[in-house]
Amino acid sequence: EAGVAQSPRYKIIEKRQSVAFWCNPISGHATLYWYQQILGQGPKLLIQFQNNGVVDDSQLPKDRFSAERLKGVDSTLKIQPAKLEDSAVYLCASLDRANTGELFFGEGSRLTVL
Amino acid sequence: QQQVKQSPQSLIVQKGGISIINCAYENTAFDYFPWYQQFPGKGPALLIAIRPDVSEKKEGRFTISFNKSAKQFSLHIMDSQPGDSATYFCAASVRTYKYIFGTGTRLKVLA
Repeated sequence: EAGVAQSPRYKIIEKRQSVAFWCNPISGHATLYWYQQILGQGPKLLIQFQNNGVVDDSQLPKDRFSAERLKGVDSTLKIQPAKLEDSAVYLCASLDRANTGELFFGEGSRLTVL
Repeated sequence: QQQVKQSPQSLIVQKGGISIINCAYENTAFDYFPWYQQFPGKGPALLIAIRPDVSEKKEGRFTISFNKSAKQFSLHIMDSQPGDSATYFCAASVRTYKYIFGTGTRLKVLA
């Protein structure tokens, strides 16, 4: 079974530039999450999708972050304009809701904002 | 009330020793308590999980102890090995499948 795919793995940008991250969840997983993990901290939920609908985006900084999951499969997270404090690993996860309830993570996209 | 507090922040254990990591929560609506293991450069991976209807769950060298009245749960790693050196996160979720993670414990097992 293929895991959660994310790209790019690494990205370095200047502040005020924009960046986009892509995620393809495990096939059949309707629930998808984007987490932000700052160095030395636990993952912090940014947004949760169920199919192509948003379940929770209460902690998404909507003035600069946006996310979409148009066809209920893969998803894109965008940051525009980036700030220094956005430097983090952005983790995508999908949920095996129908079976175990287990959350599967991708390897993450590491963003450095200079 | 949505927080999960984790301690210690870091832990050093001798090979063969017992590693113990603790977590506490406030929200009694949480009904699923997983532990995740994360190696550098990788995403977190599920290690073991428990639901509040049991007080203990054991899988190999890994055991979760759960104290519902105290709203605390802990991970015990028996016979710790250098390969267990990683960061461990506790988490809690509610029926909406919203997961809240602890701040992490960096474990180093000395050979």
